[in-house]
Amino acid sequence: AQRVTQPEKLLSVFKGAPVELKCNYSYSGSPELFWYVQYSRQRLQLLLRHISRESIKGFTADLNKGETSFHLKKPFAQEEDSAMYYCALGTSYGKLTFGQGTILTVHP
Amino acid sequence: DADVTQTPRNRITKTGKRIMLECSQTKGHDRMYWYRQDPGLGLRLIYYSFDVKDINKGEISDGYSVSRQAQAKFSLSLESAIPNQTALYFCATAGTGGHKSTYEQYFGPGTRLTVT
Repeated sequence: AQRVTQPEKLLSVFKGAPVELKCNYSYSGSPELFWYVQYSRQRLQLLLRHISRESIKGFTADLNKGETSFHLKKPFAQEEDSAMYYCALGTSYGKLTFGQGTILTVHP
Repeated sequence: DADVTQTPRNRITKTGKRIMLECSQTKGHDRMYWYRQDPGLGLRLIYYSFDVKDINKGEISDGYSVSRQAQAKFSLSLESAIPNQTALYFCATAGTGGHKSTYEQYFGPGTRLTVT
C-alpha cells in the first residue's frame, strides 16, 4: 500500500535561513511526487512536481528513489513562505495520497 | 481558483442530521474528489469519480455517500452526521490528457463542517 510520511508537524525558521521540509514515501510502483501548499486564507494549490524538475518560488525538490524521499528545500526562507505544506504521491489509479502536512513558520 | 466552488462554506449541524455538501467546477475536468482535512492527519480521500458513471470509495468512505449529478457537479452527503465528522472538507478536480499530469488537482475553498 502507498504511504506518505512527513515527520515534522511544525517547522520554524528565521527569515534568510535555509529550510527543508521532509517527505518520505512508500510505493511499489513508479512514483509521481508533488508538493502542495496552502497559504493562510487561500486554497490548496500545487507548488511543484518532480517530473518537471522546476523551481517555484525558490523551492526545489529532488526525488531520491534509493531513499524514497522527496524533500522540499529553499536556501533562503521568506516570511511569505509561511504556510501548510503537503507532500503527495500519485498512484496508478489517478489518486493522490497526501502526507500529514507540515506547518512552516518563517520568523522575521 | 474560482473555477472550483463549494457550498456551503461553513455549516453547523446536529448529530443525526442529514447534510449535503456541494461542489461545482467550470474547468471541464472529468475527475472529481472529496477529501477531509484533520489536524495531524492531513488530507484523506473520501470518494472520487472519474466520470459521471464512475464512483469509487476512498480510504475513509464509511458514513458518507456521493452523487455525481453531472460532469461539473459532485455532492457529498452525510446521511446521519456524527461529531467525529467535524472537519474541513475539500473538493478537487483533475483533468486528463494534455501535458499536465493527471495527478495535478485543483481544490475548492473548503467547507468547514461542525457536528454538535
